[in-house]
Amino acid sequence: ETGVTQSPTHLIKTRGQQVTLRCSSQSGHNTVSWYQQALGQGPQFIFQYYREEENGRGNFPPRFSGLQFPNYSSELNVNALELDDSALYLCASSKREPNTEAFFGQGTRLTVV
Amino acid sequence: AQSVTQPDIHITVSEGASLELRCNYSYGATPYLFWYVQSPGQGLQLLLKYFSGDTLVQGIKGFEAEFKRSQSSFNLRKPSVHWSDAAEYFCAVVGGYNKLIFGAGTRLAVHP
Repeated sequence: ETGVTQSPTHLIKTRGQQVTLRCSSQSGHNTVSWYQQALGQGPQFIFQYYREEENGRGNFPPRFSGLQFPNYSSELNVNALELDDSALYLCASSKREPNTEAFFGQGTRLTVV
Repeated sequence: AQSVTQPDIHITVSEGASLELRCNYSYGATPYLFWYVQSPGQGLQLLLKYFSGDTLVQGIKGFEAEFKRSQSSFNLRKPSVHWSDAAEYFCAVVGGYNKLIFGAGTRLAVHP
């Protein structure tokens, strides 16, 4: 089975720009969650997608948005980038069942200058 | 509110020494608990998980963790640390929407 893959691995953007990050979920998984990990901190939950709809959101502003596609892959979009958006963005996929674990991709390192 | 505390920001041990990384959680019901490891610039790899049953759980790479409800703890242990264990370790609890709530992490350094 294939694991969770994210693209791109690194990205540099200018403040005010928009960015799209992509995630392919693990085979057999139907739920995708996105996390932001600032330097020296633990990952923070952004939102989760199930059946192509947002299903839970953390404390992030609306300029953070996402999509999930019929093949369960997902995108994270961030508008009006701010310097504090610089972080490692992690995608995790899982099955929508109790007692299941999430599998993480390698992440996308976003730098906003 | 659900939360995870990892009291030790940085720990240094000698290769071959034993290791214990602390994790305390705050959660109203029976928690689902995880330990993940992260190498520099990489994603998170699951070491072990606790859902129910035996409070001592075994994981990969020789790690184990013990769930103690009375202490709201889920400490990670390894009897003999290898240089390749140097990394950052995160404890997490499952919250609403099955999201993971992570601690701030403990960075482990291993001296030869």
